[in-house]
Amino acid sequence: EIVLTQSPGTLSLSPGERATLSCRASQSVRSSYLAWYQQKPGQAPRLLIYGASSRATGIPDRFSGSGSGTDFTLTISRLEPEDFAVYYCQQYGSFLTFGPGTKVDIK
Amino acid sequence: EVQLVESGGGLVQSGRSLRLSCAASGFTFDDYAMHWVRQAPGKGLEWVSGISWNSGSIGYADSVKGRFTISRDNAKNSLYLQMNSLRAEDTALYYCAKDMCSSTTCPMENWGQGTLVTVSS
Repeated sequence: EIVLTQSPGTLSLSPGERATLSCRASQSVRSSYLAWYQQKPGQAPRLLIYGASSRATGIPDRFSGSGSGTDFTLTISRLEPEDFAVYYCQQYGSFLTFGPGTKVDIK
Repeated sequence: EVQLVESGGGLVQSGRSLRLSCAASGFTFDDYAMHWVRQAPGKGLEWVSGISWNSGSIGYADSVKGRFTISRDNAKNSLYLQMNSLRAEDTALYYCAKDMCSSTTCPMENWGQGTLVTVSS
């Protein structure tokens, strides 16, 4: 089973700042089958990024994903008030596993 | 508009069974794989099970293998999760999610609002 580790656990930033979230896999993720989800309190998760770098339908271009192999990054170029949430990475190349999440909160 | 509506959750005693359902609409159900994902209170996401468009490929997390059974009825646009031998650690909000593809090797692009399962010991 591929284990995903996310860092940091919590990221405290101000609106307008850049957020950089990391996801590291215990072994190489096949074909960059890595996705990112956003979850706000009381809501279901929302797909942001798939294939490591492709934005899902309707996702603003301030969200971008990069990486390959075992190291992946989600970048939010300029934080909007609605972006404060928990972000999960997921690999779907070998069964499916989620990372533990990174909470982005307001500084 | 894609809609996924889960039902069947509730309070159940440890060792008992429960069957969850997910009613799908707004898309061609038998074109896509489907999944169940759960979230324990205050915790992260855990994939539970997935099923391909024609039920030909099915997978389970190790934590539920042998106890849970996923199935689908394409004629009824419905997904199910039969949960047997329930344990306290199965307490969670259970989400139904639509895959991007017909197999179970793609991410989940649509999610329901979840149904809460509480297992009392």
